[in-house]
Amino acid sequence: EAGVTQFPSHSVIEKGQTVTLRCDPISGHDNLYWYRRVMGKEIKFLLHFVKESKQDESGMPNNRFLAERTGGTYSTLKVQPAELEDSGVYFCASSRELGRQETQYFGPGTRLLVL
Amino acid sequence: AQSVAQPEDQVNVAEGNPLTVKCTYSVSGNPYLFWYVQYPNRGLQFLLKYITGDNLVKGSYGFEAEFNKSQTSFHLKKPSALVSDSALYFCAVSPPGSNDYKLSFGAGTTVTVRA
Repeated sequence: EAGVTQFPSHSVIEKGQTVTLRCDPISGHDNLYWYRRVMGKEIKFLLHFVKESKQDESGMPNNRFLAERTGGTYSTLKVQPAELEDSGVYFCASSRELGRQETQYFGPGTRLLVL
Repeated sequence: AQSVAQPEDQVNVAEGNPLTVKCTYSVSGNPYLFWYVQYPNRGLQFLLKYITGDNLVKGSYGFEAEFNKSQTSFHLKKPSALVSDSALYFCAVSPPGSNDYKLSFGAGTTVTVRA
């Protein structure tokens, strides 16, 4: 079975520009999560979709970040306008079932650099 | 407050020697604990998890971890390290809460195994 895929693998943009990250979860996984690791610190939760619905978006830093999952398949995370502090690695994860015990399977991440 | 702590930024061991990567947690209730590994230029890979039952959990690539409730620890171990085990290791906890499925990660520990 194919794993979680993310596109692009790297993105370098200038401050003020817009970037859209894409995540394709494992087929059949209703739960999709976005996380971010900034400046070599902890990986922090951004938000969680159950199918196309946002279950929890408590980790979204501000309204410059917009996540969507139309149709409950792939998800996009848009940053507009990007700021320097948005640089980091953005990870997507998915799980089949909903529950604390469920393993979240992660993608390779998108490395974002805002100049 | 940080839920998970990895007290060592780096661990260096010689190939063939035992490897231990430390993790402590500070959530109340019954934590669900996870270990992930990130190899260079790769995404996070799931290694193992503790949900309930036997305190010693065995995972991928010969790794195991021991849940110690009295010490609130979940250290990752491997009896004989390989050079290919050199990677970034993350401990994570799923905190108690019926509607809280996000993972809280430690800052990561870089493991270097020298030949």
